[in-house]
Amino acid sequence: EAQVTQNPRYLITVTGKKLTVTCSQNMNHEYMSWYRQDPGLGLRQIYYSMNVEVTDKGDVPEGYKVSRKEKRNFPLILESPSPNQTSLYFCASSFGLANEQFFGPGTRLTVL
Amino acid sequence: RKEVEQDPGPFNVPEGATVAFNCTYSNSASQSFFWYRQDCRKEPKLLMSVYSSGNEDGRFTAQLNRASQYISLLIRDSKLSDSATYLCVVNLNAGGTSYGKLTFGQGTILTVHP
Repeated sequence: EAQVTQNPRYLITVTGKKLTVTCSQNMNHEYMSWYRQDPGLGLRQIYYSMNVEVTDKGDVPEGYKVSRKEKRNFPLILESPSPNQTSLYFCASSFGLANEQFFGPGTRLTVL
Repeated sequence: RKEVEQDPGPFNVPEGATVAFNCTYSNSASQSFFWYRQDCRKEPKLLMSVYSSGNEDGRFTAQLNRASQYISLLIRDSKLSDSATYLCVVNLNAGGTSYGKLTFGQGTILTVHP
């Protein structure tokens, strides 16, 4: 089944404890992206990747890192999480910018 | 001014009504326009892409107005199942730096009631 998977789906952590949210797609998509969704602010792009080893900042990259060592995986790293990073996070992938984006099921992160 | 702006609503309409949403964008060089649908904090799903000539898919019609820099979504004969948040998405920076960025509007909430 063609899909985007994210893990974990739910995470409660404490300030400063490094964490990684994984994202994997099995559709051979070049483009992958991370978003966060907050009430009243909609979805905001954190980072995107046009292809392997090519990543770029979205609108809200501060406090996040990403890597794209393989085509299928695009992990989101929070080196030192803070409470303002409490949010619902979505990973997405597509063949390109003009194509449908397929979203993962979301990761609900709470930073205490 | 927000780069991509939607009326957040909510829009409350009866079944069978026609409802229209607009979405304005800030960069005239923008390419790739989409409407996505999101149900109750689930993942967004593509409703339709928006083409320059306009396009229709059943009860849904999408249009692009480059001169006024907006896209629109028209829903005819609304169903209860159309209740959701509708998100417009624009590739604002095509041809410029950060050309891979996609920007979402904040979403328009639609509730269709019996």
